[in-house]
Amino acid sequence: QEQPQQWGAGVLKPSETLSLTCAVNGGSFSFSYWSWIRQPPGKGLEWIGEINHGGHTNVLPSLESRLTISVDTSMQHFSLKLNSLTAADTAVYYCAKSLGSSRDAFDMWGQGTVVTVSS
Amino acid sequence: QSVVTQPPSVSGAPGQRITISCTGSSSNIGAGYSVHWYQQLPGTAPKLLIFDNTNRASGVPDRFFGAKSGASASLAISGLQAEDEADYYCQSYDSNLSGSVFGGGTKVTVL
Repeated sequence: QEQPQQWGAGVLKPSETLSLTCAVNGGSFSFSYWSWIRQPPGKGLEWIGEINHGGHTNVLPSLESRLTISVDTSMQHFSLKLNSLTAADTAVYYCAKSLGSSRDAFDMWGQGTVVTVSS
Repeated sequence: QSVVTQPPSVSGAPGQRITISCTGSSSNIGAGYSVHWYQQLPGTAPKLLIFDNTNRASGVPDRFFGAKSGASASLAISGLQAEDEADYYCQSYDSNLSGSVFGGGTKVTVL
């Protein structure tokens, strides 16, 4: 099972929209939930949402109004869109595969994308 | 501020045993949800160490030991080595948030 590969814009301005994509290789795409987890500079990890191959999502309540997670099963990609960015959204964003759902451990992580929100 | 609490730092001499605590509440660890542990080296993604309270992930040496009791869990590292110097995070599920929660992280220093 290869490490998920993620990409997206790294420097954005306040009020803009962050878009990130995570590509999954191998057979686990259809059998797992995939999450987005972020880590502000010098701080701890924060789970922000998850999706499965059927498109079922679960999002952190505090981000529900700004965060959309979607899936493209044909490409085995899943994506994150976070709008109305502020400096507080500055973080390293990781995609991660769960052993089941967000109740379970994350056994495979993407390389991380550094996102900076600054005017 | 995380709903799951870890000590900010723990240190020990090479060869010693250290323990990192992870304290939750009745909406997460105390509700019976599993606890998982990660090691994060500087500038890298977290790596799964322990899943479902006590199970070591593939390739993790048996110096790492996970335990859970009530609303708390712990990670013990025996025979501490220089390469163990890293940040360690616990993770569980919280029914109030309907999602995963991480502890604030513990920096382990090898003296």
